[in-house]
Amino acid sequence: GQNIDQPTEMTATEGAIVQINCTYQTSGFNGLFWYQQHAGEAPTFLSYNVLDGLEEKGRFSSFLSRSKGYSYLLLKELQMKDSASYLCAVRDSNYQLIWGAGTKLIIKP
Amino acid sequence: IAGITQAPTSQILAAGRRMTLRCTQDMRHNAMYWYRQDLGLGLRLIHYSNTAGTTGKGEVPDGYSVSRANTDDFPLTLASAVPSQTSVYFCASSDSGLDGAGELFFGEGSRLTVL
Repeated sequence: GQNIDQPTEMTATEGAIVQINCTYQTSGFNGLFWYQQHAGEAPTFLSYNVLDGLEEKGRFSSFLSRSKGYSYLLLKELQMKDSASYLCAVRDSNYQLIWGAGTKLIIKP
Repeated sequence: IAGITQAPTSQILAAGRRMTLRCTQDMRHNAMYWYRQDLGLGLRLIHYSNTAGTTGKGEVPDGYSVSRANTDDFPLTLASAVPSQTSVYFCASSDSGLDGAGELFFGEGSRLTVL
């Protein structure tokens, strides 16, 4: 079956750096997405990776290794507003999006 | 309206009742989707539409139906609600279909409780 694994919950300190990992086993690969979802709100797009390597966008970066079935989202200079769930999603060979259950990130002062 | 609007935002429903969740977008996106989100699970696709006049089944379509009469509207209907359909429902759209690289834009969600 197809599977996306992310840690359920992580805690980090304001101003620090945190890395949220995502491993996947899917039928083919046509891109990986990261979304942010604040509690009670809609998911919002953060990043898209289709080739190996690092994509940087301000304080957020996303890395992909297709050979390892692995991605991470790196958040730098953490702010309290970064407290949210982070969703990893992979598009498989049928172009279906497979979603992970999300990682709840708690930021402490 | 800016983006995607869903209604109602919250609803408590008796089992066996019929319910339609409304979704309207003003971005002229071709593709629209309905997902459900349950605690501990990833978003699961219920139905989708790549363009007005066409619809397709997602991962968990049973008990749900959709229509796409025009570009803007994509209602989701529960013909006879059951408690297992208690969930948060998100409507989303993108400017490309499932095989495109476009990001998804989500509505604020409809929290449905079936008793």
